[in-house]
Amino acid sequence: AQSVTQLGSHVSVSEGALVLLRCNYSSSVPPYLFWYVQYPNQGLQLLLKYTSAATLVKGINGFEAEFKKSETSFHLTKPSAHMSDAAEYFCAVRLSGNTPLVFGKGTRLSVIA
Amino acid sequence: AAGVIQSPRHLIKEKRETATLKCYPIPRHDTVYWYQQGPGQDPQFLISFYEKMQSDKGSIPDRFSAQQFSDYHSELNMSSLELGDSALYFCASSLRNQPQHFGDGTRLSIL
Repeated sequence: AQSVTQLGSHVSVSEGALVLLRCNYSSSVPPYLFWYVQYPNQGLQLLLKYTSAATLVKGINGFEAEFKKSETSFHLTKPSAHMSDAAEYFCAVRLSGNTPLVFGKGTRLSVIA
Repeated sequence: AAGVIQSPRHLIKEKRETATLKCYPIPRHDTVYWYQQGPGQDPQFLISFYEKMQSDKGSIPDRFSAQQFSDYHSELNMSSLELGDSALYFCASSLRNQPQHFGDGTRLSIL
C-alpha cells in the first residue's frame, strides 16, 4: 500500500524566510509524487510533480521539491516566503497511470509579516 | 485554458434528501475522479472512471453512485443524505499517466 506522511500540520514562517514542508512516502514501487496547494474555498492546484525524470523538480510560484529515495522523502521548499503563499499544502502519491491519489493530512502554511 | 467545471458550487440539503453533483472535465481528458474532503481533512478518493467505465472504487458509501456520460461529464448521485456527508466534493480529470487537475469543488451542507 502507498501512503504519504506530512510532518507538521501547521508551519509558520516570516515573510522572506525559507519555507520547508516535509513529506515522506511509503510505496512498494517507485511512486509518482505530487504537491498540491489549496487556498481557502478553492480547489487543489498542482504545484509540481515527480515522475522519475529528475530528482529535483521545479514547480510554480518559486517552489521546488527534491526526491530522495534513500530517505523516502519529497520535501517542498521555497527560498523566500511571500504573504500570498499562505495556504494548505498537500503531498500526494499514486502508483502509476490512472490510479487515484492518496493524500497526506496536509500542512497549513502561515506567513507572518 | 479550460479547467474542470463543477456545479453547483454550493448546495444545501436536509437529511434523507438526495443530491446530484456534476463535473465537466477538461476537454480530451479521459479519466474523471471524485474526492470527498471533510472539514479540516485531506481529500479521500471515492470513485473514478476511465473512458466512461468505472476504473477504481474507494471509500464511496453504498448510498452514493456515479456515472460518466458519452460527453465525458460525470455525475455523483447521493441519496439518504446524512449530516456526515457535509463536505467539499472535488472532481478531477486527467489524461492517462498525467497529473490530475481539480475543479473548485461543490460545498455540500446537510441541515
